[in-house]
This record gives sequence, structure tokens and C-alpha cells, in this order.
Amino acid sequence: QQQVKQSPQSLIVQKGGISIINCAYENTAFDYFPWYQQFPGKGPALLIAIRPDVSEKKEGRFTISFNKSAKQFSLHIMDSQPGDSATYFCAAFQGSRLTFGEGTQLTVNP
Amino acid sequence: GAVVSQHPSWVICKSGTSVKIECRSLDFQATTMFWYRQFPKQSLMLMATSNEGSKATYEQGVEKDKFLINHASLTLSTLTVTSAHPEDSSFYICSAPEPQTSNEKLFFGSGTQLSVL
Repeated sequence: QQQVKQSPQSLIVQKGGISIINCAYENTAFDYFPWYQQFPGKGPALLIAIRPDVSEKKEGRFTISFNKSAKQFSLHIMDSQPGDSATYFCAAFQGSRLTFGEGTQLTVNP
Repeated sequence: GAVVSQHPSWVICKSGTSVKIECRSLDFQATTMFWYRQFPKQSLMLMATSNEGSKATYEQGVEKDKFLINHASLTLSTLTVTSAHPEDSSFYICSAPEPQTSNEKLFFGSGTQLSVL
């Protein structure tokens, strides 16, 4: 069964700190790994994405680190801000299907 | 990025009634759209894939007669929850892929919170 395991379930970080969310997968056929940000009562929004031939991708304060051999990838949010407080979902794509992780509720305290 | 518009944002209905949710791609055409369901503090679960001009493809365990999907044009897909019951109360979200991609990059609507009394 195709699964993406995400941790932690919840995360509390102080303003200015680094938020790190981890995901692991089993299916080596996955070929695209996006991260989505979701605010309460809203649909998810694409934040950043990476392909397995790249080990790191950075966009502003957001960085994806990808370890193909370990089948793991992570999202790093630098200089975390209260406005970053949301639920983050990792996902993995293969064929025509996007499989989501369980989600991480991030709270950034002022 | 591309914009996907979903209406209504929330709806309250009585048990036994039907509710229609619309999903529109505003500035692009989408031959495929996806419908997800999300319970509080849980992940998104794919319900069905909506295909313009043909029947939708439902995920295992999703009742096609209860969740009717129509994709009548390249910019509109609708989900009708028929004979709704309290257990159908959930957050429903549609999405459409970025044009000219292999459905990997999805743009999501703002979601519809359905409450069945």
C-alpha cells in the first residue's frame, strides 16, 4: 500500500526558530514530492516541491531536504513566524495519484 | 498560480436532502479534477477523479450513488451529496492540476464545510 508517513503530528516553535517536519515513504516509484500548507477552513496551498534527482531545494525561508537512499524528505522553515502557524502536509506523486501524509500542526509562538 | 474556485464555502442541510458543491477552474481548462474529503485534524482522502465528458473514477469504499460527480465542461465539476446524513458532515475540497502537467501539481479550492443536521 502506498503510504507517506509524516512526523511530528504537532510542533510548537518560538518565533525566529527553525521548524522541521519529516516524511518517509516506501514506494520508490514516487517521482514528485510537494509540501502543502493549509490554514483552518481553507484548502491546501502548494508551498514547495522537489523531484528525487535533487537533494535540496530552497525557496525563501522554506527548504526541502531530500534523501533518496533513506526514502525520506523534510521541510525546514527558517525564521519561523506566527503567520506560519498552519497545518503542513507532505505528499508524494506517482502515476496520476497524489498521496498525502497525515499532516503536522505547526504553532509558532510570538 | 492557477485559481480554483469552490462554492459554497459552507452549507448546512437537513438529513435526507441533497447538496451540490461546485468547483471551477477560473483561468485554465481542466479535463481532470479531484475531489477530496477531510475530517477534522486528519489528512486529505481522495474520493474520486472527475473526468470531463466521461464517468468519474471513484476510490474504493466511496459510494458512487451517494456522491454524484459531473464534469460537464472543461472548467466545471460538481459533487452532489445525495440523501445526506450526519456522517456525511465533513470538509470537501476539490482540486485541479496545473495545465500541461501530469496531474502532479494540484491547485485546491477553498473547500466546502458540510454540516448535516
